[in-house]
Amino acid sequence: GQNIDQPTEMTATEGAIVQINCTYQTSGFNGLFWYQQHAGEAPTFLSYNVLDGLEEKGRFSSFLSRSKGYSYLLLKELQMKDSASYLCAVMDSNYQLIWGAGTKLIIKP
Amino acid sequence: GAVVSQHPSWVICKSGTSVKIECRSLDFQATTMFWYRQFPKQSLMLMATSNEGSKATYEQGVEKDKFLINHASLTLSTLTVTSAHPEDSSFYICSARGDREYEQYFGPGTRLTVT
Repeated sequence: GQNIDQPTEMTATEGAIVQINCTYQTSGFNGLFWYQQHAGEAPTFLSYNVLDGLEEKGRFSSFLSRSKGYSYLLLKELQMKDSASYLCAVMDSNYQLIWGAGTKLIIKP
Repeated sequence: GAVVSQHPSWVICKSGTSVKIECRSLDFQATTMFWYRQFPKQSLMLMATSNEGSKATYEQGVEKDKFLINHASLTLSTLTVTSAHPEDSSFYICSARGDREYEQYFGPGTRLTVT
């Protein structure tokens, strides 16, 4: 079956760095996505990785290793507004998104 | 660019009534739209894939006669929840596929409460 695993909840301090991991097993692979979702809102796109390596975009970076079925989202210089759920999703061979359950990130002052 | 809207943003209805939710791609044409449902503290669950001009493809366990999907144009898909029950109360989110297969743009979601 298809499976996406990510931690349920993480806590970090304002100004610090946090890494959210995601492992996956899917039928086919057409890229891995990270989305941010604030409570009561729809997901917003953060990053897309289809090749191995690190993609940096401002304070956020995303890493992919296809051979290991592994990705992480790295958030630097954490701000209170970064408190949200972070969803890892893999696009399978049919171009459908398979979603992880999301990681709730709590930022403390 | 690539904006998707949903209407209404929230709706309260009585048990047994039907509710229609609209999903529009505002500045691009979307041959494929997706409908998701999300219960509190859970991830998104794909309900169906909607292709313009053809019947929607429903995921296993989703009743097609209860959740009617119409994708009549390249910019509009509708989801009608028929004979709604309290357990249908959820956050319904649509997304639209862009020019490239891996592009998917999300609407802001519709909060449905059935009393």
